[in-house]
Amino acid sequence: DAGVTQSPTHLIKTRGQQVTLRCSPISGHKSVSWYQQVLGQGPQFIFQYYEKEERGRGNFPDRFSARQFPNYSSELNVNALLLGDSALYLCASSLSEANTEAFFGQGTRLTVV
Amino acid sequence: DAKTTQPPSMDCAEGRAANLPCNHSTISGNEYVYWYRQIHSQGPQYIIHGLKNNETNEMASLIITEDRKSSTLILPHATLRDTAVYYCIVIRGTSYGKLTFGQGTILTVHP
Repeated sequence: DAGVTQSPTHLIKTRGQQVTLRCSPISGHKSVSWYQQVLGQGPQFIFQYYEKEERGRGNFPDRFSARQFPNYSSELNVNALLLGDSALYLCASSLSEANTEAFFGQGTRLTVV
Repeated sequence: DAKTTQPPSMDCAEGRAANLPCNHSTISGNEYVYWYRQIHSQGPQYIIHGLKNNETNEMASLIITEDRKSSTLILPHATLRDTAVYYCIVIRGTSYGKLTFGQGTILTVHP
């Protein structure tokens, strides 16, 4: 079975632009979470979605939004990009909304210039 | 969720056991201890979790003290591929997918 897949793997954007990152969970997993990892720090929780509903939101500005589709894939959108948004964006999937074993993708490396 | 404290770095010789400590003195009765690791340039990988009993799987063992205020992750025979950042995370059972990562412990396995 394929693991969690994220696209694109790398991305370069200009300040003020908008970006959409995509995540496909492991087959059968209904929960998707998004994390931001700035260089040298641990991942920071952004969102969790379960059955297409937002179940949790971290301390991120409204420029960050996400959604989950009927096939449980997910998109993370970031508007009005800032230099500080440069980071590795990680997607994790799990079977249920409660904390169980979470499987992470390889991430999308976003660079804002 | 309870806060955790881990040493910033540790070294281990290849083939020896790696014992990674974690303090979680404010842990509550319904909070679990989870361990993840992150190898350079990869996403985090789940290792093991437990509530109060010791746990073992094919990757590692988790030893939780009787008062649950600390735990130790044991990699019984460390290899070079175990070099990674190891995160100890304490989570309520109803935290709905939110993992709070700290700085973790950088484990370096030497030949």
